[in-house]
Amino acid sequence: EAGVVQSPRYKIIEKKQPVAFWCNPISGHNTLYWYLQNLGQGPELLIRYENEEAVDDSQLPKDRFSAERLKGVDSTLKIQPAELGDSAVYLCASSPGTGDGEQYFGPGTRLTVT
Amino acid sequence: QKEVEQNSGPLSVPEGAIASLNCTYSDRGSQSFFWYRQYSGKSPELIMFIYSNGDKEDGRFTAQLNKASQYVSLLIRDSQPSDSATYLCAVRGRRGSTLGRLYFGRGTQLTVWP
Repeated sequence: EAGVVQSPRYKIIEKKQPVAFWCNPISGHNTLYWYLQNLGQGPELLIRYENEEAVDDSQLPKDRFSAERLKGVDSTLKIQPAELGDSAVYLCASSPGTGDGEQYFGPGTRLTVT
Repeated sequence: QKEVEQNSGPLSVPEGAIASLNCTYSDRGSQSFFWYRQYSGKSPELIMFIYSNGDKEDGRFTAQLNKASQYVSLLIRDSQPSDSATYLCAVRGRRGSTLGRLYFGRGTQLTVWP
């Protein structure tokens, strides 16, 4: 069974530029998560989707971050404009059920903002 | 007060020894607990989960949960150099929209020397 797929794996952009990350969850997993991980820290949730619905987005900085999960499968996370402090690893995870299953992470996208 | 606390280490043990990793959490009503292993430059990998008080064993790994003391631990028996990684403790949220959100500790860095 294929795991969570993310792209790109690495991205370097200048500040104020836009950037987008893509995630394809494990087949059949209804719930999709975007986490942010800073160096030396544990991941922190940005947004959680159950199918197409964003059910927990309280930690998403909505002035510059947006996300979508059309058709309840793939998801895209966007930052516009990027700031230096956005440099981090962006992790996508998925789980079966409605948030009560075990979460499995993709390889992540390492973003560097210069 | 952080939701999940871990000793960041580093913890260093010789090959063949037992490594003991500890975690405390603040929400007394928490029900679901997870241990992830993260190699340097990689994403978190789920290695254990535990929902009931007591011990849960899987190969060389044993998770221990004590809800009264709000304490969860991971024991690694017969430690191998390949176990050298950062171990992340996570607790699942249980209220409303935060159900499904994982709260992570900062992780404990483990080094197993030959």
